[in-house]
Amino acid sequence: AQTVTQSQPEMSVQEAETVTLSCTYDTSESDYYLFWYKQPPSRQMILVIRQEAYKQQNATENRFSVNFQKAAKSFSLKISDSQLGDAAMYFCAYRKGGSEKLVFGKGTKLTVNP
Amino acid sequence: KAGVTQTPRYLIKTRGQQVTLSCSPISGHRSVSWYQQTPGQGLQFLFEYFSETQRNKGNFPGRFSGRQFSNSRSEMNVSTLELGDSALYLCASSLYRGLMNTEAFFGQGTRLTVV
Repeated sequence: AQTVTQSQPEMSVQEAETVTLSCTYDTSESDYYLFWYKQPPSRQMILVIRQEAYKQQNATENRFSVNFQKAAKSFSLKISDSQLGDAAMYFCAYRKGGSEKLVFGKGTKLTVNP
Repeated sequence: KAGVTQTPRYLIKTRGQQVTLSCSPISGHRSVSWYQQTPGQGLQFLFEYFSETQRNKGNFPGRFSGRQFSNSRSEMNVSTLELGDSALYLCASSLYRGLMNTEAFFGQGTRLTVV
């Protein structure tokens, strides 16, 4: 069974600085996708960034980027120029190719200090 | 374009009762998945429906069931409620074009409290 591990239950960062959230996963599949979701207090899960396993290039979305290390099964999220609105729970998720089922990590609570 | 709509937003039920939660996916989306979120267990997959057929099921007891209608709207039902069923229930919809994976969009959830 696939598993996703987020080893940092909580992280904090100063506004305008950079923070990296860690995620490791375990799978024997070759076709899969990885995601970072953000869940603010409103509870709405919002997709931050996605990475296809077959792509070697790391995904980037504005201030958000990932470091995808396929051999190490590591998928970290870097948030640059942190903003107060980035404060939320962040979940790393895995999805096998051809399936809609998401497997989530336990989440990391990010606090942004002014 | 309207997002994923879940109703009701909040629900309080008594142990032993049953409950039905509703999810209306984004227009055109044919796949609907349900997740249970609790502080202890995190986010856990319940089941997934596509074209009115259950395609995948998580490790939950038979008290948890669901269905999908021809308009892609989905309902999940929990019978004989237990205190441990108190959770945030999230619904996600996606386009699902065969083997091509598409993004899952989530609703705001239904907060169920069992007393």
